[in-house]
Amino acid sequence: AQSVTQLGSHVSVSEGALVLLRCNYSSSVPPYLFWYVQYPNQGLQLLLKYTTGATLVKGINGFEAEFKKSETSFHLTKPSAHMSDAAEYFCAVSGLVPTSGTYKYIFGTGTRLKVLA
Amino acid sequence: KAGVTQTPRYLIKTRGQQVTLSCSPISGHRSVSWYQQTPGQGLQFLFEYFSETQRNKGNFPGRFSGRQFSNSRSEMNVSTLELGDSALYLCASSPVIAGGFYNEQFFGPGTRLTVL
Repeated sequence: AQSVTQLGSHVSVSEGALVLLRCNYSSSVPPYLFWYVQYPNQGLQLLLKYTTGATLVKGINGFEAEFKKSETSFHLTKPSAHMSDAAEYFCAVSGLVPTSGTYKYIFGTGTRLKVLA
Repeated sequence: KAGVTQTPRYLIKTRGQQVTLSCSPISGHRSVSWYQQTPGQGLQFLFEYFSETQRNKGNFPGRFSGRQFSNSRSEMNVSTLELGDSALYLCASSPVIAGGFYNEQFFGPGTRLTVL
């Protein structure tokens, strides 16, 4: 069965510092991996995704993530945090449902990013 | 293209009542999923509809139900509301890629349900 673990429910960084949000997954099949961001009182917005091909994936707002199969990780990074990056971030894997043969999303528990001035 | 829309945005109900939430997916998207988001439980999958059929279901009691219409619009219903049903209910639509694999999901702004 597929699963996603996000390490750290809250992360604080100073403005201009590196942002690193951790995500580890478990999947018995090649995974489709996603990072979403949620701003207050809004729905989730896709930041980036990995399906196949290049393992370093670039997304919107300067974020990127690297798929590391050997470490079963898909950590999200941004070189320099901005105040507007304060939000909740969700890692997700598209997982196979054995009973139906279809796929569904499995979300991590989320990491709330705080950016300090 | 217009995004995913959800109505109403805010709703206040009392225990024992029922509620119906509506979701209009992005034009051309045939898959619609529903999620419940609470501070304590995070984002939990309710169910997914594709071409008017429920394709996947999460671990929620039978009080939670849904349906999808021929134009892909979807509704979810919660009967006999409980205090614990207070949450943000998110709808997401997705284009279905050949083979049934998911591409990204596009989320609506959610309906904030408060049960008193």
